[in-house]
Amino acid sequence: AQSVTQLDSQVPVFEEAPVELRCNYSSSVSVYLFWYVQYPNQGLQLLLKYLSGSTLVESINGFEAEFNKSQTSFHLRKPSVHISDTAEYFCAVPRMEYGNKLVFGAGTILRVKS
Amino acid sequence: DGGITQSPKYLFRKEGQNVTLSCEQNLNHDAMYWYRQDPGQGLRLIYYSQIVNDFQKGDIAEGYSVSREKKESFPLTVTSAQKNPTAFYLCASSNPGERETQYFGPGTRLLVL
Repeated sequence: AQSVTQLDSQVPVFEEAPVELRCNYSSSVSVYLFWYVQYPNQGLQLLLKYLSGSTLVESINGFEAEFNKSQTSFHLRKPSVHISDTAEYFCAVPRMEYGNKLVFGAGTILRVKS
Repeated sequence: DGGITQSPKYLFRKEGQNVTLSCEQNLNHDAMYWYRQDPGQGLRLIYYSQIVNDFQKGDIAEGYSVSREKKESFPLTVTSAQKNPTAFYLCASSNPGERETQYFGPGTRLLVL
């Protein structure tokens, strides 16, 4: 069965430092990959997604993720974080047993400190 | 503005009581979902519906029920059989043409008195 592993439950980082949030997936079918962000007490918002084509995808607020098929990874990166990036980030992949509906990782809390 | 609304934002349940969480979307999406979120466990799928008058169980359907009488609406009932209902509940919707991209509502936090 498809699954998603987010390797870090929490990532503390200082403002303006780079960050990488790790995501590994297992899937035997064509892969779509997603990153969602959740600010405290809010719903999830789509951050970026890989469907096909270029393996590097970018969001409007400076995040990027690279689909690496050989390493089955889709790590999220940002070269310089802001306090406002403090949130929980979820990686997701379609799940065959539920008609390709998404399965989400356990989440990574990014804490940006000043 | 198109989007998904959930109400109420906070809901309190007494022991033995059924409560219903509302989810409405005006995105004209075919599919709708309910997730439960607990700290450190990510999102777990409760129920999903791909079309009106049809729905399927997810990973943790026991103690919950749903209906899908209208395309725009997918209410979730937390029954008294759900022994640990305290959680954050998220509703989402998607369209087949968007490659499983899901759009989420703001969530309802359910607390047991």
